[in-house]
Amino acid sequence: DSGVTQTPKHLITATGQRVTLRCSPRSGDLSVYWYQQSLDQGLQFLIQYYNGEERAKGNILERFSAQQFPDLHSELNLSSLELGDSALYFCASSSRTIADTQYFGPGTRLTVL
Amino acid sequence: AQSVTQPDIHITVSEGASLELRCNYSYGATPYLFWYVQSPGQGLQLLLKYFSGDTLVQGIKGFEAEFKRSQSSFNLRKPSVHWSDAAEYFCAVGVNSGGSYIPTFGRGTSLIVHP
Repeated sequence: DSGVTQTPKHLITATGQRVTLRCSPRSGDLSVYWYQQSLDQGLQFLIQYYNGEERAKGNILERFSAQQFPDLHSELNLSSLELGDSALYFCASSSRTIADTQYFGPGTRLTVL
Repeated sequence: AQSVTQPDIHITVSEGASLELRCNYSYGATPYLFWYVQSPGQGLQLLLKYFSGDTLVQGIKGFEAEFKRSQSSFNLRKPSVHWSDAAEYFCAVGVNSGGSYIPTFGRGTSLIVHP
């Protein structure tokens, strides 16, 4: 158990819909990272937040957005969903910087029908 | 932009045999390098990381990796594989930009262990 929790574990929805994925980092970790894992694209970094502020942005679509709240949990919002958005979405947390180990949550499997 | 190549999609070894998983990266400067393991249905777990210093890095579960700048490689090794090592292995490169970084992952190598 990494200490990172993600909810829900599975999510099935239809094209055009909007969903919210939630992540609670390990106690004391200030950084949260979101990743997408799919068969087509592999594992891709989406976005990083540090203590409530966006720190780095990767291959995140404009239809996707994220935020980190004062209690440090984070949410990833996916809107206007397409079939190709079906993937595993991982959250990871670390203490502060790149030098700190990232601990991954178990992931949310999103299926768009 | 940085990139990571894991040339082997699958590798099959016998339990007790040695293992080497290959990773090549493309980046102009010295990157941060990582190896992660993913068991079925699980998230990723960090095995080891290299930032600077000694080019031979020791990790968890008996794994080690060697950074070779001249070959742009960061290969993962284990002297004796256990059946529980069967999993997907990902090499990643992180490029520091203003205190943050964007990690790039390879496509992964699936390790199959025969008894």
